[in-house]
Amino acid sequence: RKEVEQDPGPFNVPEGATVAFNCTYSNSASQSFFWYRQDCRKEPKLLMSVYSSGNEDGRFTAQLNRASQYISLLIRDSKLSDSATYLCVVNPDPGNTPLVFGKGTRLSVIA
Amino acid sequence: DADVTQTPRNRITKTGKRIMLECSQTKGHDRMYWYRQDPGLGLRLIYYSFDVKDINKGEISDGYSVSRQAQAKFSLSLESAIPNQTALYFCATSDVGDGQETQYFGPGTRLLVL
Repeated sequence: RKEVEQDPGPFNVPEGATVAFNCTYSNSASQSFFWYRQDCRKEPKLLMSVYSSGNEDGRFTAQLNRASQYISLLIRDSKLSDSATYLCVVNPDPGNTPLVFGKGTRLSVIA
Repeated sequence: DADVTQTPRNRITKTGKRIMLECSQTKGHDRMYWYRQDPGLGLRLIYYSFDVKDINKGEISDGYSVSRQAQAKFSLSLESAIPNQTALYFCATSDVGDGQETQYFGPGTRLLVL
């Protein structure tokens, strides 16, 4: 089983739609979680951290379910500029091991 | 100025050649990483370094070597390039605070091995 698994997509949604991505991780001892965004042919950049209580940043909401070992990202009111690949990232042991990246989920927002 | 820089940005080389990809950072981070990215395979870790005297193999280190010349510099070498090393290569740095680690990536180096 892969350490971090994501549906590769692509998700094709119209502007204004709400879209959700899920990600599962295999290491139950994992301590910290993130979503990164990668635009086509560019470097990944941190979108947001994922906290146990869930967290929101504008149109973006991230949630963590430790019991089921999954992380979600919800995007409301999708914009054309949201088109990108979203990478789920897990840190099994902060300070001691590297981050583990999922392969990413591709989102295309269509006018 | 970019915090994490990579040189060259693009490189075409021939099978069997030795090449070096350079990474520099001005963020003052101790941790540095080299990844390659291939379509459908995501980011794969080649080598990483938690400080100047520390070098660790990642998921796919065969055919690669690294050198951590200073805190700010981490170079990746392909001793004898082969076509399946054609990929997009990213360098990254990170800091760890309050148990959270954030990675900052360079702009990438596109490598084509003929």
